[in-house]
Amino acid sequence: QVQLVQSGADVRKPGASVKVSCKASGYTFTTYDINWVRQAPGHGLEWMGWMNSASGEVVYAQKFQGRVTMTRNTSTSTAYMELSGLRSEDTAVYYCARGRTGVRPFELWGQGTLVTVSS
Amino acid sequence: EIVLTQSPGTLSLSPGERATLSCRASQSVRSTQLAWYQQKPGQAPRLVIYGASNRATGIPDRFSGSWSATDFTLTISRLEPEDFSVYYCQHYDRSPTFGQGTSVEIK
Repeated sequence: QVQLVQSGADVRKPGASVKVSCKASGYTFTTYDINWVRQAPGHGLEWMGWMNSASGEVVYAQKFQGRVTMTRNTSTSTAYMELSGLRSEDTAVYYCARGRTGVRPFELWGQGTLVTVSS
Repeated sequence: EIVLTQSPGTLSLSPGERATLSCRASQSVRSTQLAWYQQKPGQAPRLVIYGASNRATGIPDRFSGSWSATDFTLTISRLEPEDFSVYYCQHYDRSPTFGQGTSVEIK
């Protein structure tokens, strides 16, 4: 079954970091890019960046430059997104989504991971 | 950065009616890189239309997409109960952007 399965919900304190995982199955991991999108409560979708799963090349949205790091482990077909310097405004559901930059849309999504930032 | 502006913010319609959702780009975009997503509460978004007018796998033919210059349209010909959701347009180039969404609600 083709799917992306994300890690579970997490609660962090302001200033801390969080690392969310996204495990791919049912397809060749390195054939597609992995994007990260977040959605704050009651708000729309916000693209954070993408990673070429084969080369590891990353492009981050300007808003998150310096705070986000996207990596992958090709042997386990898992992508990771780490966000540092957390603040309350980072409370959101974080999604990974499969696509191919500039060519294919986000055809496959993970189930989402709720990250709550609270003291 | 390309900005996508969706209208209206909320569309109140009855089942069986036609829904017309708009997405306007701030500058010229490739129609091949324009998608629409449906999102229901508590769920991840689902791809509906890609390349401005191509239905994604499993999407019924009551959904259609069209465009003219920088104006893109998602049309649902006859609303079914399961179609009442929030819809987002997206430009999926090297720095993807989303519109702010249109909520299609039951009148």
